[in-house]
Amino acid sequence: DAGVTQSPTHLIKTRGQQVTLRCSPKSGHDTVSWYQQALGQGPQFIFQYYEEEERQRGNFPDRFSGHQFPNYSSELNVNALLLGDSALYLCASSLVGLGYEQYFGPGTRLTVT
Amino acid sequence: AQKVTQAQTEISVVEKEDVTLDCVYETRDTTYYLFWYKQPPSGELVFLIRRNSFDEQNEISGRYSWNFQKSTSSFNFTITASQVVDSAVYFCALTVVGRSQGGSEKLVFGKGTKLTVNP
Repeated sequence: DAGVTQSPTHLIKTRGQQVTLRCSPKSGHDTVSWYQQALGQGPQFIFQYYEEEERQRGNFPDRFSGHQFPNYSSELNVNALLLGDSALYLCASSLVGLGYEQYFGPGTRLTVT
Repeated sequence: AQKVTQAQTEISVVEKEDVTLDCVYETRDTTYYLFWYKQPPSGELVFLIRRNSFDEQNEISGRYSWNFQKSTSSFNFTITASQVVDSAVYFCALTVVGRSQGGSEKLVFGKGTKLTVNP
């Protein structure tokens, strides 16, 4: 049973560029949440997708957007990258109604130079 | 709004010592879940325990134990006879049930406590 997978593992981008991160949820899960973890901080909730719609959003600007596909996988897009966007981006999946059981992927380390 | 505070930024112990990681939470909701996660250097968050707000029984799992006290809004984590492999960053988190509009509830994390166990 495959767990949550994320790609790529590491990414280096330049300020102003755009980036797309990908997440495949654990088998049987239908909800994907994205978190940003800056160095030395706890993960911060970005947004969550269920039934291909954004259901909740944290305190992040519109430069952060996402998408969920019919197979429940998800993408996180960040436009106009800033140095402050450098972080570990974590994806978590869960099953609706059991939102307290969230499984995390290994994360994507994004470095903006 | 929900908030989780982990006042200890870093803790360093010698192997076999017992260590307690503190967690204090804030929420006005009566139904919520509390969690502890371990994050090794690889970065992946490893689930350790979940406790709902109606279950104040302490739990023990091997060398790990958790003390949940609603009266003080605390959910502390103790490692007995620590080992080098316990070195990691530990996060306490909170989720409130029933706040999502479809989908699932978001997790609110503390800033984490970095535990170093020296041989």
